[in-house]
Amino acid sequence: AQSVTQPDIHITVSEGASLELRCNYSYGATPYLFWYVQSPGQGLQLLLKYFSGDTLVQGIKGFEAEFKRSQSSFNLRKPSVHWSDAAEYFCAVGTGTASKLTFGTGTRLQVTL
Amino acid sequence: GAVVSQHPSWVICKSGTSVKIECRSLDFQATTMFWYRQFPKQSLMLMATSNEGSKATYEQGVEKDKFLINHASLTLSTLTVTSAHPEDSSFYICSSPYRGVNTEAFFGQGTRLTVV
Repeated sequence: AQSVTQPDIHITVSEGASLELRCNYSYGATPYLFWYVQSPGQGLQLLLKYFSGDTLVQGIKGFEAEFKRSQSSFNLRKPSVHWSDAAEYFCAVGTGTASKLTFGTGTRLQVTL
Repeated sequence: GAVVSQHPSWVICKSGTSVKIECRSLDFQATTMFWYRQFPKQSLMLMATSNEGSKATYEQGVEKDKFLINHASLTLSTLTVTSAHPEDSSFYICSSPYRGVNTEAFFGQGTRLTVV
């Protein structure tokens, strides 16, 4: 069965610092890949997605992610974090279909001023 | 993008009562609806998949008689938590693909259920 691993449960960065959130998946073929953000008590907001093509994808709010097939990874990056980026981040994969998703356990991002 | 409207946003109910959560697709036909559950400080777990006009498919460990899903029209799917108990308190969220299951799914706003 497919699985998604987000190794970091909690990350703290200073405002203005760079950020990388890790995501690894287990699946025999290339999955559909997503990153979502969830603020406390809120729903999900899609940051970016990868279906095919260029392995470096750009998303909203200055986020980007790179699909690395050899490492089965889809890490999320941002060059300069803002205090408003503090939230829970979920990596998700669609295996077989793009819409039925398996989510990682999430990474809580804290931003210090 | 496509819009999935989910109601209510939050609900508090007494133990033993039933609660219905609605998800409506506002500008597309939702032939498929996915229902997820998120316990506090945990990830989202798929509960079931419903297709318009047919019975829902439940994931392993999800009680189909407790979580009744109805998808009678192309724009409305409902999840009813029957005889709710405090352990059912959770965040429930639906999603539907805009153009078939191999396209991105759009999520509702989610429903925070608290059973007291």
